[in-house]
Amino acid sequence: DIQMTQSPSSLSASVGDRVTITCRASQTIGTYLNWYQQKQGQAPKLLIYAASRLQSGVPSRFSGSGSGTHFTLTISSLQPEDFASYYCQQSYSSSLSTFGQGTKLQI
Amino acid sequence: EVRLVQSGAEVKKPGDSLRISCEASGYIVTANRIGWVRQLPGRGLEWMGLINPGDSDTRYNPSFQGQATISADRSIGTVYLQWRSLKDSDTAMYYCARRTDWDEGHAFDIWGQGTMVTVSS
Repeated sequence: DIQMTQSPSSLSASVGDRVTITCRASQTIGTYLNWYQQKQGQAPKLLIYAASRLQSGVPSRFSGSGSGTHFTLTISSLQPEDFASYYCQQSYSSSLSTFGQGTKLQI
Repeated sequence: EVRLVQSGAEVKKPGDSLRISCEASGYIVTANRIGWVRQLPGRGLEWMGLINPGDSDTRYNPSFQGQATISADRSIGTVYLQWRSLKDSDTAMYYCARRTDWDEGHAFDIWGQGTMVTVSS
């Protein structure tokens, strides 16, 4: 199985800050990497797919980069509605996908 | 509007059987696989498996193989997750999600609202 490891597990930040979350894969996965946002009590929401492609409707302050085994999600200027948990997911394997353990972004 | 609507919350006893559902609408249901994701209380997301509603081809995470069964009825655009004998440890929120495939990979782009399953004696 491909293991996904996110860091940090939790992060405190303020409105307006620039924030970066990291995701590492246990083997190379090209750019087969997605990012999701989950707010408390809600279903996850797709933010970025294929490592850097912004899902329709997602604000441009979100961006993703990376390839191989190292990936990042960056929020350029935190807004109040961005405080949530974030998960990476590898889509390299068509029949067995895995998520990272999540990063909780707190005020 | 593309939607996945899940069945309501369930409270069951250990050993009970259960089937929860996920009804797709607003798109051609056979065009996309649908997956199930488990979230234990206060924990992260776990990919359980997915099904192609068109031919019922199913793939499971080995960690969940034999624990629950995924099935589909394409005539009514509905996917199911079923347990024969629930355990306390099955208490969790379960999400269904539509998988969309691109040349660059695939992702869950549409999610159901979640079904909370509570197993307690």
